[in-house]
Amino acid sequence: DVKVTQSSRYLVKRTGEKVFLECVQDMDHENMFWYRQDPGLGLRLIYFSYDVKMKEKGDIPEGYSVSREKKERFSLILESASTNQTSMYLCASRFDRDRRVEAFFGQGTRLTVV
Amino acid sequence: QKEVEQNSGPLSVPEGAIASLNCTYSDRGSQSFFWYRQYSGKSPELIMFIYSNGDKEDGRFTAQLNKASQYVSLLIRDSQPSDSATYLCAVNGEVYSGGGADGLTFGKGTHLIIQP
Repeated sequence: DVKVTQSSRYLVKRTGEKVFLECVQDMDHENMFWYRQDPGLGLRLIYFSYDVKMKEKGDIPEGYSVSREKKERFSLILESASTNQTSMYLCASRFDRDRRVEAFFGQGTRLTVV
Repeated sequence: QKEVEQNSGPLSVPEGAIASLNCTYSDRGSQSFFWYRQYSGKSPELIMFIYSNGDKEDGRFTAQLNKASQYVSLLIRDSQPSDSATYLCAVNGEVYSGGGADGLTFGKGTHLIIQP
């Protein structure tokens, strides 16, 4: 019954490393999203995509990039990891049209940058 | 910058009572509104969405929307201990002409505790 799968549950990376977080959905949703969740700050939108090869910046895109080469896969890239990017990263996909909604989050990736 | 405000709680409600969770939003152009439930250590789970002013009921849950007041609420009837969680209000903005959707802006959540 898995709908949105993130490649790793836990990751530990070193400062300056390039980090790839992968997300795959099996519902044929057009829209996919990357959020980070931090205590006291809540969920914040990093990037989203509404179609293959399309991407839009969210509220906190600095230090991140994304890739959507296939409809089912949306990757988040930390170009040069820094300690302030230590966080829980959540991928989501959503269908939202004609007042019908399907929306799911992945299980999350807890990233620690040391 | 769109803002979504929620009281962080904790909101403590006796079992069997009605839990009332509130949310206000700043973007008057917001078109759709969502309630997510998040258990500790888990990902958020969509439980309700609403587009039109008024009430929408689904089982023990009722979402209420008042666009004029920029206010959305979630009522949980016959509260159960399993309802204890953090409830996140989320708001969507414009819908792109291509059929895509804006990313949701989330509130920081209200921590609800149902006392047995």
